[in-house]
Amino acid sequence: DTGVSQNPRHKITKRGQNVTFRCDPISEHNRLYWYRQTLGQGPEFLTYFQNEAQLEKSRLLSDRFSAERPKGSFSTLEIQRTEQGDSAMYLCASSGYLETGANVLTFGAGSRLTVL
Amino acid sequence: KNEVEQSPQNLTAQEGEFITINCSYSVGISALHWLQQHPGGGIVSLFMLSSGKKKHGRLIATINIQEKHSSLHITASHPRDSAVYICAGEGSNFGNEKLTFGTGTRLTIIP
Repeated sequence: DTGVSQNPRHKITKRGQNVTFRCDPISEHNRLYWYRQTLGQGPEFLTYFQNEAQLEKSRLLSDRFSAERPKGSFSTLEIQRTEQGDSAMYLCASSGYLETGANVLTFGAGSRLTVL
Repeated sequence: KNEVEQSPQNLTAQEGEFITINCSYSVGISALHWLQQHPGGGIVSLFMLSSGKKKHGRLIATINIQEKHSSLHITASHPRDSAVYICAGEGSNFGNEKLTFGTGTRLTIIP
């Protein structure tokens, strides 16, 4: 397992189009997080899953955003009717506890969205 | 007001200086993460703390749960340490285990 994988790495789309990002977490990790990061800012929480259950969704997430983790493994983040303000880096992270009790948090490289 | 505050927002220092970055949080947490992000790079986890102190190479992280405060120290700083350092709190008194991020501290080490 090489870490958290995100696809695509970069997506350029026209305003009004739908986009979908995929995150493949580390297989043993039961928690998966989606964050959004704009230039010069820290990551902003969007949503997170424990296994397949979506436990929290940020108020930042309008009705145009939806996330799923159907089998408790990979997750998708879909943005419908994209707007220019959606342009950002979308980060996925996963975490889980090792046998030692240490909590390991790992981020993917991110998916950069540019809405024209 | 952000639940996780970092200071300073920007820090410039000469190579070799001892660096301290502070993180304060206003909610109860179960753990605090220190993360590093190089310009144009991904986020790398440095430490996860729930109490006390951890050390890895030239990096030291401490946390005081009662005072809701954590610090990241870098000894003998080097230009390659230039990056954004972010603290993130995990969990709350209400059992919420999402991560809440600070806005980051941009560190620049001058040779």
